[in-house]
Amino acid sequence: KQEVTQIPAALSVPEGENLVLNCSFTDSAIYNLQWFRQDPGKGLTSLLLIQSSQREQTSGRLNASLDKSSGRSTLYIAASQPGDSATYLCAVRGYSTLTFGKGTMLLVSP
Amino acid sequence: DGGITQSPKYLFRKEGQNVTLSCEQNLNHDAMYWYRQDPGQGLRLIYYSQIVNDFQKGDIAEGYSVSREKKESFPLTVTSAQKNPTAFYLCASSIGGGRSSYEQYFGPGTRLTVT
Repeated sequence: KQEVTQIPAALSVPEGENLVLNCSFTDSAIYNLQWFRQDPGKGLTSLLLIQSSQREQTSGRLNASLDKSSGRSTLYIAASQPGDSATYLCAVRGYSTLTFGKGTMLLVSP
Repeated sequence: DGGITQSPKYLFRKEGQNVTLSCEQNLNHDAMYWYRQDPGQGLRLIYYSQIVNDFQKGDIAEGYSVSREKKESFPLTVTSAQKNPTAFYLCASSIGGGRSSYEQYFGPGTRLTVT
C-alpha cells in the first residue's frame, strides 16, 4: 500500500527566505504527483502537477521536482512571503486515486 | 465560473441521524471523489466515481453511502453507522479516472459536527 511522508511537519521562517519542503513515497508506480496548498478551514488549491515522465515543474516562485526511482519530490519556494503561510500537501496518483501525505504547516513571519 | 460547490459549509447533527452532504461540479468532469480530513491526518478517500451510475469504495467507506445519478452531482450520506462522523469533508473531481493522469480539483469543504 502506498505511503506518503512529508518532512518537516511544521516550518517557521522569516520573510524572504528560500525554502524546501520534502515528500517521499514508498511505491514508485505512480501516474503523477500533485502539490496542494490548504489555508485553515478551506479546500485544497492545486499548485503544481508533475507527470511521472517529468522531472520538474515551475510556476512563479514555486518549483517542484520529482525523482520517481527514489520515491522523492521537493517543493522549492523562492523568496517566501507572509501570504505563503499555509499547509502544503503532497499527493501521488496511483490507479484511480490519490494518496496524501499529512502536510507541512508553513509560517512565514514578516 | 467553473468549479466545485459544496453545501452547506457547516453542518450540525445529533448522533443517530443520517445526513447528506452535497457536491456539485460544472467542469464537465467524469470522475468525482469524497475525502475525509481529520486533524493531524492526511486526506483519506471515502468513495469515488469514474462515471455516472458507477462508484467504488475507498479506504474508509464503512458508514458512508453515495450515489451518482447525474454527471455533475455526487452526494455523500453519512449514516448513523459511522462511528466518528465529525470531520472536514472534501469533494474533488477530475476530467477522468482510472489510468488517466489528470489533475484533481477540490471544493471548499463541509465541516460536519455530530453531538
